[in-house]
Amino acid sequence: DGGITQSPKYLFRKEGQNVTLSCEQNLNHDAMYWYRQDPGQGLRLIYYSQIVNDFQKGDIAEGYSVSREKKESFPLTVTSAQKNPTAFYLCASRHLWSTEAFFGQGTRLTVV
Amino acid sequence: RKEVEQDPGPFNVPEGATVAFNCTYSNSASQSFFWYRQDCRKEPKLLMSVYSSGNEDGRFTAQLNRASQYISLLIRDSKLSDSATYLCVVNPSAGGTSYGKLTFGQGTILTVHP
Repeated sequence: DGGITQSPKYLFRKEGQNVTLSCEQNLNHDAMYWYRQDPGQGLRLIYYSQIVNDFQKGDIAEGYSVSREKKESFPLTVTSAQKNPTAFYLCASRHLWSTEAFFGQGTRLTVV
Repeated sequence: RKEVEQDPGPFNVPEGATVAFNCTYSNSASQSFFWYRQDCRKEPKLLMSVYSSGNEDGRFTAQLNRASQYISLLIRDSKLSDSATYLCVVNPSAGGTSYGKLTFGQGTILTVHP
């Protein structure tokens, strides 16, 4: 079955540690996105990528890093520089010519 | 000014009511507009695209007003199952590095009660 997969679903980390969230899609989509959602808030764009080996900062990129070495993979690293990393992280992908973005089920990151 | 703004609500309406949400956007060159639905603690899913001429899907009607730079979503005959957060999404104009960008509003919470 085609889809977009995020792992893990829940993640706990100690303050000061870097952590990498996985996002994989087998839909052959060009574009991939990372969003952050805080309780009662909308989605805020962290990074996005339209093609392999290229990505752009979104609205809240500070403290995050990404890579796009393969079309199907777009991992997000939450670094120790991110001041408030506890949040719900959503990955999405779509064809650039298409209207619909498909989302993974999200990763809930808790930093203690 | 935020790129995309929505009234966060919450909107509490009885079953059978008609409810409307608006969403304003700041980039007049924006080309594509969408409404997504997000259930509690779930990922967002596309509800409908918004076309220049307006479009309807069953009880849902979406409209675009380019002059005033807003999109709207109308839900008629509300059902309990319509309770969710509704997110508007804007895609900037074609060309340039921002072409692929999708910007979400903060979402409008709808609760339909018996």
